[in-house]
Amino acid sequence: GESVGLHLPTLSVQEGDNSIINCAYSNSASDYFIWYKQESGKGPQFIIDIRSNMDKRQGQRVTVLLNKTVKHLSLQIAATQPGDSAVYFCAERRVGNTPLVFGKGTRLSVIA
Amino acid sequence: DGGITQSPKYLFRKEGQNVTLSCEQNLNHDAMYWYRQDPGQGLRLIYYSQIVNDFQKGDIAEGYSVSREKKESFPLTVTSAQKNPTAFYLCASSSSSGRVAGELFFGEGSRLTVL
Repeated sequence: GESVGLHLPTLSVQEGDNSIINCAYSNSASDYFIWYKQESGKGPQFIIDIRSNMDKRQGQRVTVLLNKTVKHLSLQIAATQPGDSAVYFCAERRVGNTPLVFGKGTRLSVIA
Repeated sequence: DGGITQSPKYLFRKEGQNVTLSCEQNLNHDAMYWYRQDPGQGLRLIYYSQIVNDFQKGDIAEGYSVSREKKESFPLTVTSAQKNPTAFYLCASSSSSGRVAGELFFGEGSRLTVL
């Protein structure tokens, strides 16, 4: 069935390195995507979003890339810090008035 | 400051008891949501509401009930019919601007444990 999923359930990176978290989606009609960060025991927090008419969007230390051809979304974190350790979720908005659909999440662990 | 408040943060329940989780927002958002999160899992939608006095079932509504009597409030009742209620529950809201799925603002969650 249609789903939002992730290639890697866990990711360990060295402090200072760049991190790349991937997400595959299957609904080609989805027009809006969001990345959320969830720290342990807390609610998810918005990181960055991108609309389907864009390929790339940059924030502070984060970049989201969207490849509609292969239905792939990625979150890049530059100079990863210990405070970046969390679970990261991608979410998609499908056509029609329906709520966001979330992927299963990737746990990012930063090694000091 | 504007935000979403969930209470209680931790809740213990005996089997067979109903329990109600509170969610209040002062963001003037139209849409509100309840998600369930199990360890190592993603977020699964229980119920959502686009407007006062109206709500729709999500993917896992069985054993849950909600009400939306006020724009600011969207309480979730976990009933005794929910067979596996132990989980982390997240409430969210969004300014839908005519669409349900805008950016979601989440509360800090309520962790329910059934004894």
